[in-house]
Amino acid sequence: EAQVTQNPRYLITVTGKKLTVTCSQNMNHEYMSWYRQDPGLGLRQIYYSMNVEVTDKGDVPEGYKVSRKEKRNFPLILESPSPNQTSLYFCASSSPAGSTYEQYFGPGTRLTVT
Amino acid sequence: AQSVTQLGSHVSVSEGALVLLRCNYSSSVPPYLFWYVQYPNQGLQLLLKYTSAATLVKGINGFEAEFKKSETSFHLTKPSAHMSDAAEYFCAVSKNSGGYQKVTFGTGTKLQVIP
Repeated sequence: EAQVTQNPRYLITVTGKKLTVTCSQNMNHEYMSWYRQDPGLGLRQIYYSMNVEVTDKGDVPEGYKVSRKEKRNFPLILESPSPNQTSLYFCASSSPAGSTYEQYFGPGTRLTVT
Repeated sequence: AQSVTQLGSHVSVSEGALVLLRCNYSSSVPPYLFWYVQYPNQGLQLLLKYTSAATLVKGINGFEAEFKKSETSFHLTKPSAHMSDAAEYFCAVSKNSGGYQKVTFGTGTKLQVIP
């Protein structure tokens, strides 16, 4: 089954404690992205990757890091989480093949930073 | 820069009534346009997409949307609402930006279906 998986689904942590949210896709997609969803703001892109070792900032990258060492994985790293990073996070993948660029989303990770 | 405006953060309709969710976009070139649906506690899933093949696009679950270039609109409709349509709907625009297909989402519209 084609899918994007994220772990963990729920995470409660404290300010300053480094964390990683994993994302993996099994569709051999080149493009992967991280979004955060906040009420009234929709989805905002944090980082994206066009392929292995190619990443770039999205609209709200401050406080986040990513890496793309393998095509299927795109972890999101919060080196020193702060309460304003409490949000719902989504990983998504897509492919330029076929030129439709529709995205496939993971189930989301709800992060609470206290 | 491209942007998407969804009018109405909350829309309520009666079961069986017409559903109309509005989306206007701004883009300097014809974009790709999408509607995604998010059911409670789930990720987003594609409802339908416009890729210039046809201006009236049919999607899953009886939804359709019409691309109107003159109005820069891509409104989502369904003739008869069902209780299972209660969800949040996001309009999105995608455009090539420096070799990458940049996607911008609207702020979402929550659809409530009243029995």
